[in-house]
Amino acid sequence: GESVGLHLPTLSVQEGDNSIINCAYSNSASDYFIWYKQESGKGPQFIIDIRSNMDKRQGQRVTVLLNKTVKHLSLQIAATQPGDSAVYFCAENYGQNFVFGPGTRLSVLP
Amino acid sequence: GAVVSQHPSRVICKSGTSVKIECRSLDFQATTMFWYRQFPKKSLMLMATSNEGSKATYEQGVEKDKFLINHASLTLSTLTVTSAHPEDSSFYICSALIGRGYTFGSGTRLTVV
Repeated sequence: GESVGLHLPTLSVQEGDNSIINCAYSNSASDYFIWYKQESGKGPQFIIDIRSNMDKRQGQRVTVLLNKTVKHLSLQIAATQPGDSAVYFCAENYGQNFVFGPGTRLSVLP
Repeated sequence: GAVVSQHPSRVICKSGTSVKIECRSLDFQATTMFWYRQFPKKSLMLMATSNEGSKATYEQGVEKDKFLINHASLTLSTLTVTSAHPEDSSFYICSALIGRGYTFGSGTRLTVV
């Protein structure tokens, strides 16, 4: 089942540093993955996605890496800014199912 | 892009009253919408899947008589928290599946006093 209701782990980084947020997914049959950003008091927003036939995808200041061997997904944020402070969720899709990871809270230190 | 509008963003109600939260797909049709609950510093918890024209599918442990879901049209799903209690205070979020990803509403902060 989903990893729901868990206490969020927190990652603290200095402003300007790079951030790496990790996610372990559960199903080797998952073929599509999404990262979402949720700011306080708001709904999650799409950041970037990747299909299982890729191992890396880059966006603006963000990069998603996919390691299917160990079922691991990561989100890299370059030159982290205060506006990046939020909770980040990964989601995996297999068949009709979409499963969200537990989320990681990113705190950007001045 | 696809937008899901959720209303209200904040609501305070008295114990025992009912509150309705609306979720609208603005520029697309959503046959399926999802309702989540989120406690402070916790992840999203799927409550139910709302299907247009049919009954919602509730997750285990979610009281369907407590959380009434109506999906009467392809662009509107509503969640009604009936006979609200303080423990129902939470952040409620809806989403719609479009393409292969979700689009989320902006959430509703419910406070029951």
